[in-house]
Amino acid sequence: GAVVSQHPSRVICKSGTSVKIECRSLDFQATTMFWYRQFPKQSLMLMATSNEGSKATYEQGVEKDKFLINHASLTLSTLTVTSAHPEDSSFYICSARTQGAGRQPQHFGDGTRLSIL
Amino acid sequence: DAKTTQPPSMDCAEGRAANLPCNHSTISGNEYVYWYRQIHSQGPQYIIHGLKNNETNEMASLIITEDRKSSTLILPHATLRDTAVYYCIVRVGEAGTALIFGKGTTLSVSS
Repeated sequence: GAVVSQHPSRVICKSGTSVKIECRSLDFQATTMFWYRQFPKQSLMLMATSNEGSKATYEQGVEKDKFLINHASLTLSTLTVTSAHPEDSSFYICSARTQGAGRQPQHFGDGTRLSIL
Repeated sequence: DAKTTQPPSMDCAEGRAANLPCNHSTISGNEYVYWYRQIHSQGPQYIIHGLKNNETNEMASLIITEDRKSSTLILPHATLRDTAVYYCIVRVGEAGTALIFGKGTTLSVSS
């Protein structure tokens, strides 16, 4: 089945650091990728949608200058949390689907647990 | 996308069938019913989806009522590894929009 790889799986860093998370589709071309955030004991919250070669669309309340998304190729999207602070600590999950897939579901990565000290 | 309603939690004995209900009374004719699950500290895993016919795969069966206002996910022989949060999501299948997750049902399988 389709595989989405996310890296790193866990990050611990100091406040003020910028952190980059990579999301790769391993065996299909992902024309659209999605980024979610999940706080403890809560459901996944959609942060943004990115289409290859164009700017990401952010959900209301998500700061685009803080969460930089790049989707430069059909197999790679990156999320950079700039100047991270403790309140940015969360579980970040990417997802990918391919154009024309229609009924095909989104495929999810295994998430990145970000801890800001 | 239509809203779904699921019970917050359910228990099931190992080896028994787990039947997880989902209400989606405002579903439109072109909206599919998707089921995903999330095991602790992992990304969501696709289980099954359907439009109006019942569906079965190696993981589960999906029963959709004739009026499409509700559905049931059936895990025929639950194991401890099926303990997870199960999400029922309704979405237009041909759209490129993201899956929107509700609170889901926490299924606890015990021996």
